Amino acid sequence: GAGVSQTPSNKVTEKGKYVELRCDPISGHTALYWYRQSLGQGPEFLIYFQGTGAADDSGLPNDRFFAVRPEGSVSTLKIQRTERGDSAVYLCASSTDRENIQYFGAGTRLSVL
Amino acid sequence: EDKVVQSPLSLVVHEGDTVTLNCSYEVTNFRSLLWYKQEKKAPTFLFMLTSSGIEKKSGRLSSILDKKELFSILNITATQTGDSAVYLCQVAGANSKLTFGKGITLSVRP
Repeated sequence: GAGVSQTPSNKVTEKGKYVELRCDPISGHTALYWYRQSLGQGPEFLIYFQGTGAADDSGLPNDRFFAVRPEGSVSTLKIQRTERGDSAVYLCASSTDRENIQYFGAGTRLSVL
Repeated sequence: EDKVVQSPLSLVVHEGDTVTLNCSYEVTNFRSLLWYKQEKKAPTFLFMLTSSGIEKKSGRLSSILDKKELFSILNITATQTGDSAVYLCQVAGANSKLTFGKGITLSVRP
């Protein structure tokens, strides 16, 4: 596609439920990033993929968060046993490699009630 | 731990004013500094800076990096209402670790 696509744009769930957020990067971009942005804050790094592998997952806050990119293109961020504190906008970005300009999707706004 | 501090956190100006946005950093093995504009959700790229003292310019926007004093500024001249946004600074450090500042909210009033 022309840009980074994230679905859904909004997700409302109940505390304790499981959610999946999807990111479809720009075609040909090997690097893919997930960030979490809370109100009034800058994006907080979660995980970075180079190809299919998670090259850096140091930003994942705990083991309830997991992300995959099985074919080196689309990525899914998975959150188990959601908590109210997980409510935020989850941004995905892609680039040609880690040191280049990132192109961001419009994000998924997650609300945990 | 890498740190990126942006200031001021917010400001309000009138159309036609000039603004200067600041970004200071403490990172291990600095590699690059990037500025993004975030209007609704998706940040969009403005500038990438890697060398000190070389101004990057795009229309009314310009940016410069000082690697000795560890900061960058983003200037916007003749501001317009369409410049209203959050301006984000991101720094790449050791192992290309990426850190964003909190952002500066700019409001341009007609």
